[in-house]
Amino acid sequence: DSGVTQTPKHLITATGQRVTLRCSPRSGDLSVYWYQQSLDQGLQFLIQYYNGEERAKGNILERFSAQQFPDLHSELNLSSLELGDSALYFCASSVGGGAIADTQYFGPGTRLTVL
Amino acid sequence: AQTVTQSQPEMSVQEAETVTLSCTYDTSESNYYLFWYKQPPSRQMILVIRQEAYKQQNATENRFSVNFQKAAKSFSLKISDSQLGDTAMYFCAFINSGAGSYQLTFGKGTKLSVIP
Repeated sequence: DSGVTQTPKHLITATGQRVTLRCSPRSGDLSVYWYQQSLDQGLQFLIQYYNGEERAKGNILERFSAQQFPDLHSELNLSSLELGDSALYFCASSVGGGAIADTQYFGPGTRLTVL
Repeated sequence: AQTVTQSQPEMSVQEAETVTLSCTYDTSESNYYLFWYKQPPSRQMILVIRQEAYKQQNATENRFSVNFQKAAKSFSLKISDSQLGDTAMYFCAFINSGAGSYQLTFGKGTKLSVIP
């Protein structure tokens, strides 16, 4: 158990809908990272937050957004869902804001299925 | 852009034997970190080992060790005394310290099967 929690574990929804994925980092970690794992694209970085502020953006679609709250948990919002958004979404956390020595610890992931 | 290449989509090894997984990467930076993550059937991503580019000594963690060849941009993972619990996808990953953000760039993975 990495100490990173993600809810829900599974999510099934229809095209056009909106969902919210939730992540709680390890105690003491200030950074949260979101990654998407799909069969065709592999593991891709989406976005990073550090202590409530956006730190870096990767291949995140405009239909997706995220935020980190004062208690440091983070939410990833996916809207106007398409079939291709079906994937495993991981949250990871680290102590610092990207200090290179930080190890990222991953949560168990949320499996999103768009029908 | 940084890229990570794992040329072996699938591998198998007999229990108790040794296996080496290959990884090459491409970067113009001199300061970076390399990682191997393991993803068992449970889908959890588990850190196996980490290597700092400025360190010449290869990292080791119990049965896991790496062969880091900086000039060749190669970072292979050796698993000794393979166990059934080592069956998993293994991902090589890279962080470029000069990029201003520290997202992991992953390879496509190698599926390792340990055979009893």
